[in-house]
Amino acid sequence: AQSVAQPEDQVNVAEGNPLTVKCTYSVSGNPYLFWYVQYPNRGLQFLLKYITGDNLVKGSYGFEAEFNKSQTSFHLKKPSALVSDSALYFCAVDNFNKFYFGSGTKLNVKP
Amino acid sequence: DAGITQSPRYKITETGRQVTLMCHQTWSHSYMFWYRQDLGHGLRLIYYSAAADITDKGEVPDGYVVSRSKTENFPLTLESATRSQTSVYFCASGEGRGNQPQHFGDGTRLSIL
Repeated sequence: AQSVAQPEDQVNVAEGNPLTVKCTYSVSGNPYLFWYVQYPNRGLQFLLKYITGDNLVKGSYGFEAEFNKSQTSFHLKKPSALVSDSALYFCAVDNFNKFYFGSGTKLNVKP
Repeated sequence: DAGITQSPRYKITETGRQVTLMCHQTWSHSYMFWYRQDLGHGLRLIYYSAAADITDKGEVPDGYVVSRSKTENFPLTLESATRSQTSVYFCASGEGRGNQPQHFGDGTRLSIL
């Protein structure tokens, strides 16, 4: 079955420390990969995408993501977390007119 | 302001009733989508539309009906609501396929009693 997995329901990190939110996918072909962020009572907001090319993709608010084809992973990273980064993060895959979202990872950044 | 709006934001109804969730976008995006968000499932695609009068099923279409007579509107109808359809529903739009991100509305929280 094709799917997107976010293995951690929650990630806790101290402000100023680096953060990683993990995502792996299991779809055929060469999918397009996305990260979105959701704040309470709001819709999802686009952060970044991987289409092709450089495996390190930079996005909004200082976030970046590393694509690893051999591990079929697309982990979201930020060198220095902010309290305001606390939110729900979703990895998504677009593959041949089919969209799949992960179940989401809640990021808690503590002061 | 350009954007995507959903109405109502909150709705309570009873099983067996018909309910329609509205979605309107001002970007003239060709693609529009409906998702439901449930705890532990993330977002699941219900239906999407590539253009006016073109719709296609997503992952969980059963019990839902969509239409798209105008580019800017994409209503979602639950013809006979069931408790299992209690969820938060998100509408999204996008310029194209594949490499284009989707832009989401703020959602409709639907409770079916």
